[in-house]
Amino acid sequence: DTGVSQDPRHKITKRGQNVTFRCDPISEHNRLYWYRQTLGQGPEFLTYFQNEAQLEKSRLLSDRFSAERPKGSFSTLEIQRTEQGDSAMYLCASSLESQTDGYTFGSGTRLTVV
Amino acid sequence: QKEVEQDPGPLSVPEGAIVSLNCTYSNSAFQYFMWYRQYSRKGPELLMYTYSSGNKEDGRFTAQVDKSSKYISLFIRDSQPSDSATYLCAMSATGAQKLVFGQGTRLTINP
Repeated sequence: DTGVSQDPRHKITKRGQNVTFRCDPISEHNRLYWYRQTLGQGPEFLTYFQNEAQLEKSRLLSDRFSAERPKGSFSTLEIQRTEQGDSAMYLCASSLESQTDGYTFGSGTRLTVV
Repeated sequence: QKEVEQDPGPLSVPEGAIVSLNCTYSNSAFQYFMWYRQYSRKGPELLMYTYSSGNKEDGRFTAQVDKSSKYISLFIRDSQPSDSATYLCAMSATGAQKLVFGQGTRLTINP
């Protein structure tokens, strides 16, 4: 297994455009998480899934953000009508349901809104 | 006030020095404590994990948790240039799935 994969690695978009990111977790992991990290800050929780169910969403996840995990495998994070404040690294992570000792992060998708 | 406070540094030390990194927190419900290492333009990589109070050692790394003081530490012995990275503390409460991260400390080990 190659770990958590995220695509694309980098995305530059114009303000107002929609963007979608993909995350492929470690295959046996049934939990999947999205975090956002801005420059010089630690990651901030956005949302998490157990299998296909989205169980928790942060207040950071405004109406313009939507995440899906349709078959309990890969996940997508869509941002509609992007704003300059959305520029950040979007990190995906996965874990087993029984796991409490942290999770495995992907390398992230770096979004720049111009 | 943030739930988890971490001095962002930067911290610069010579090779071979002992490095001490720290975080304080305010939420007494936190029971799981982690340290992640993050290289530039990469995702965080789990380095150390501790449940509740106590010490844990793994090679050159030692993690300490003092719940009475709401204070956690990471010590790196015999530091190497390859240890140069940003170190993030993270913690969670029992039953909670989200991790709450500190701001991260940027560390440089000079040869």
